[in-house]
Parts: sequence; structure tokens; C-alpha cells
Amino acid sequence: DAKTTQPPSMDCAEGRAANLPCNHSTISGNEYVYWYRQIHSQGPQYIIHGLKNNETNEMASLIITEDRKSSTLILPHATLRDTAVYYCIVRVVFSGAGSYQLTFGKGTKLSVIP
Amino acid sequence: GAGVSQTPSNKVTEKGKYVELRCDPISGHTALYWYRQSLGQGPEFLIYFQGTGAADDSGLPNDRFFAVRPEGSVSTLKIQRTERGDSAVYLCASSSTSGDTQYFGPGTRLTVL
Repeated sequence: DAKTTQPPSMDCAEGRAANLPCNHSTISGNEYVYWYRQIHSQGPQYIIHGLKNNETNEMASLIITEDRKSSTLILPHATLRDTAVYYCIVRVVFSGAGSYQLTFGKGTKLSVIP
Repeated sequence: GAGVSQTPSNKVTEKGKYVELRCDPISGHTALYWYRQSLGQGPEFLIYFQGTGAADDSGLPNDRFFAVRPEGSVSTLKIQRTERGDSAVYLCASSSTSGDTQYFGPGTRLTVL
């Protein structure tokens, strides 16, 4: 079972910031928070990941709470092309077994509205 | 550079037939993963390769499913005696080493009639 909880759907006006929440209250100190998105009929696309600190790249920002029990993905200026399902995933930093499989939930369906 | 590629993009087969799905990882990536995505669901893990060996095949649903990666690059997912319930999108991902970020291909949509 996925170790994260996300709202099933959200709307965002084009040009505004999209803030996608994720709850991961059982996260351990040995686990990253990863975000992927999946545009219709395409493979999942990596967005960003973090451990403790907030992270920013050319696509998005990731804000992780101090207790690490939740995080928010921020798309600063949403466009119609950002309409997709967004997945928040918790993944081990180091696995003695060597497998770093991703466990996907159902994600959040973000609709960017003109 | 080139991303992960998968062929064919679509495959339609009849119940009971054998199918092979191919994945070309990003050049130089040693870790390769297969996932399966049913309609309306997130992807589910099937098998993981580090180099040529299958290091974790715990996600394969039964012994009709098998995957190989003989030279540590291209991988083939093989499904014997296909069933209608095997219909899904099969996704491949690769990472530079086993703990790094996984990058996904576009998937192969398998339809079993």
C-alpha cells in the first residue's frame, strides 16, 4: 500500500500557483519524498525529490514540513500543459536489498483551467 | 540525450498467445525497472534488474511473466499464455545506479482480446 495520502483532484487557474499537498505521516528518517506526474497516455515524469530541506528546480518547488509528515509541491505559474496526475511517493534512501521500487498511490488529478 | 524507449507502443494479441515487450534504457544506466499500470490506477512494480541479474522479482504476478536483460542494457518482458486480465500499460524505468532517480519510458499498451 502507498504510504502517502493525496486529494483525488484539484483545480487551478492558468497562471496561478498550484499547490499540491501530500501527507506522509509514517515517513522514516531513511526515506525521500519523490514527486512524479503523468500526463494522459504518457509515462510518469520525474519532477523533484527531497529528504529534509526544501528543494527547487526548473519545474517546481518542494516544501517539506519540519516534522517531515507532509509536503507540498508548488508549480509557480501553472499552464494548461501542467494538467496531469501528480504522484507523491515515499522511497527509501538506502536499501540493503538494493531494490528501490516506487510504490504509487492514485495521485492527485490536477486540472489547469483557462 | 535519448530517454527510455519502449517498443512496441501498442500490442494487441489474443488470449493464450505469447508476447514480448522491449525496453531500451538510458545509455549507461545500470538499474532497470518494469511496472504495470491498469486503467485508473498508479503503476505497480513488477521486477528490478541491477546489471544483468534480476535482483527483485517480487512484483511478478505469476510464473507466466518473465523478464531478461542478458547484456545489462536492453530488457525484454515476456508474457506466456496471455489472459484478458494482463491488459494494461507496461512501463519501463531506468536509473544510473540502483539508488538514483528513475526515469520512465512512454510505455507499451497491451490489449489481450
